[in-house]
Amino acid sequence: GQQLNQSPQSMFIQEGEDVSMNCTSSSIFNTWLWYKQEPGEGPVLLIALYKAGELTSNGRLTAQFGITRKDSFLNISASIPSDVGIYFCAGRGTSYDKVIFGPGTSLSVIP
Amino acid sequence: SQTIHQWPATLVQPVGSPLSLECTVEGTSNPNLYWYRQAAGRGLQLLFYSVGIGQISSEVPQNLSASRPQDRQFILSSKKLLLSDSGFYLCAWSDHDRLNYGYTFGSGTRLTVV
Repeated sequence: GQQLNQSPQSMFIQEGEDVSMNCTSSSIFNTWLWYKQEPGEGPVLLIALYKAGELTSNGRLTAQFGITRKDSFLNISASIPSDVGIYFCAGRGTSYDKVIFGPGTSLSVIP
Repeated sequence: SQTIHQWPATLVQPVGSPLSLECTVEGTSNPNLYWYRQAAGRGLQLLFYSVGIGQISSEVPQNLSASRPQDRQFILSSKKLLLSDSGFYLCAWSDHDRLNYGYTFGSGTRLTVV
């Protein structure tokens, strides 16, 4: 079945640093989604991408839909303590497919 | 606007006891509904999904069952809990007609089976 891989699995960074994480798939997706989950809460949608090559920003977050349709990237600039959480990528093939979630990247920010 | 509610937020249950977790969605009709389980610090495992009243699909064999008695109500149940049922349970919904918008999650139920 379809699977997503996320790297790195976890990150420990200094406040103010930029963060990069990525998500890869063995199959093509037509939609890429990035979620953030804070401790004890449900995941919240950050960015949705619908076209190959698309670059979309949400504040300090920028995500890109890879041109091969098999990967996506999320960057966070100038990290702050409230960026702490688990970041999940998710993808969907056709509109009728279920969304597939990656295993997550755990981000810790050291003040 | 649409909202999703899950309760209870936390639950401690003895092994062998029954379970009922409830999820309701407001502000939309005919949503697709999902139950996920998340082990500590791990990824999201899809347990059940439903595209309509009484329509339940199970993703993994397990000790749990799901029901959808009303359009915007999704219930996760067990007759006898196991220790391995402990985890963080998340309900989610998606718009049946706007599937590319992704899933919206509830705030979760932390279940500890003792």
